[in-house]
Amino acid sequence: GAGVSQSPSNKVTEKGKDVELRCDPISGHTALYWYRQSLGQGLEFLIYFQGNSAPDKSGLPSDRFSAERTGGSVSTLTIQRTQQEDSAVYLCASSLAATAGTEAFFGQGTRLTVV
Amino acid sequence: AQSVAQPEDQVNVAEGNPLTVKCTYSVSGNPYLFWYVQYPNRGLQFLLKYITGDNLVKGSYGFEAEFNKSQTSFHLKKPSALVSDSALYFCAVRDEGGATNKLIFGTGTLLAVQP
Repeated sequence: GAGVSQSPSNKVTEKGKDVELRCDPISGHTALYWYRQSLGQGLEFLIYFQGNSAPDKSGLPSDRFSAERTGGSVSTLTIQRTQQEDSAVYLCASSLAATAGTEAFFGQGTRLTVV
Repeated sequence: AQSVAQPEDQVNVAEGNPLTVKCTYSVSGNPYLFWYVQYPNRGLQFLLKYITGDNLVKGSYGFEAEFNKSQTSFHLKKPSALVSDSALYFCAVRDEGGATNKLIFGTGTLLAVQP
């Protein structure tokens, strides 16, 4: 596709339920990032995938959060047993990772509301 | 570990006046620096980046940024602000000497341009 695509755009879930958020990166981009943006807050790094290398999971806030990237393309962020503090906009980005100077392109995000 | 700081939560400027949005960084190796803009209810858009070379970098919408290695800063500037520049601005850094190529963002600065 022309840009990074995220689905769903909005998700309302009950506390304690599991949710899956999907990201389709730009074709050919080997690097993929997940961030979380809470209301009035900055971008909190969650996880980074680069090609076939082991992902950098250093930003995941708890073991309820996990992510995978299948076939080096689509990625799914899973939040288990959601809590109200998980409510935020979850942003995905991708970049050509030939060098560290390549910029990342962002999707429109998934707004998650836990009630 | 790499980090980036945006010391101002909000910057107010009158239309037509010059604007500066501040950013400082900390890395172990050489920095790769980026500025992004987020308009209300929109995703993040790339503005400009510094990789190497000329310390003054020009980007989209008339913005520019000045890399200062001794002050570890990368401030965003524009000679004449427009009301339409009002948005949330994020500075980001990658660390050439880091273990991964993850992109770390600051907390953001809200720019408000008054007519």
